[in-house]
Amino acid sequence: RKEVEQDPGPFNVPEGATVAFNCTYSNSASQSFFWYRQDCRKEPKLLMSVYSSGNEDGRFTAQLNRASQYISLLIRDSKLSDSATYLCVVNPGGYQKVTFGTGTKLQVIP
Amino acid sequence: DAGVIQSPRHEVTEMGQEVTLRCKPISGHDYLFWYRQTMMRGLELLIYFNNNVPIDDSGMPEDRFSAKMPNASFSTLKIQPSEPRDSAVYFCASSLKSGSPLHFGNGTRLTVT
Repeated sequence: RKEVEQDPGPFNVPEGATVAFNCTYSNSASQSFFWYRQDCRKEPKLLMSVYSSGNEDGRFTAQLNRASQYISLLIRDSKLSDSATYLCVVNPGGYQKVTFGTGTKLQVIP
Repeated sequence: DAGVIQSPRHEVTEMGQEVTLRCKPISGHDYLFWYRQTMMRGLELLIYFNNNVPIDDSGMPEDRFSAKMPNASFSTLKIQPSEPRDSAVYFCASSLKSGSPLHFGNGTRLTVT
């Protein structure tokens, strides 16, 4: 099993739609989790951290399910500018390597 | 505040040549990471440092790759000799402490012909 797995997509959704991405991880001792956004030919940028209690930032909601070892990202009211690749990141903490998922590509269509 | 600074932005070189990529992390960050990104393999962690000490270099492809961090504000990734399959975007990232999010530089797009 890969350390971090994501559905590569692409997800093609109309403007205004709600879309959800999931990401599973194998290391049950992992401590911190993040979602990053990467635009074409750009560097990954932090979108939001993922907390056990779940967290929301505007149209974006992230959740963590430790029992099932997955994190999710929900985007409501999709905008054209949301088109990008979304990467989940698992950080085991301590001297263990940070692992990125392969990314899920989102294309929001007018 | 300045983010992670990488140089050069683009590098085109011929097979067999030495390539050196440079990175200046965010001041005060304890961790520095080198990643490589290709369409086929996504983002791969090559090596990371904590307080200038290499912690895990298991992702370094082979002996042609080496990385150093002589001080807290500078790191290099060297490929010698370079091969066409090394063509990729190389990212440097830094984080404040263990468990903190990573902040990426703009990357170096390497093309080996």
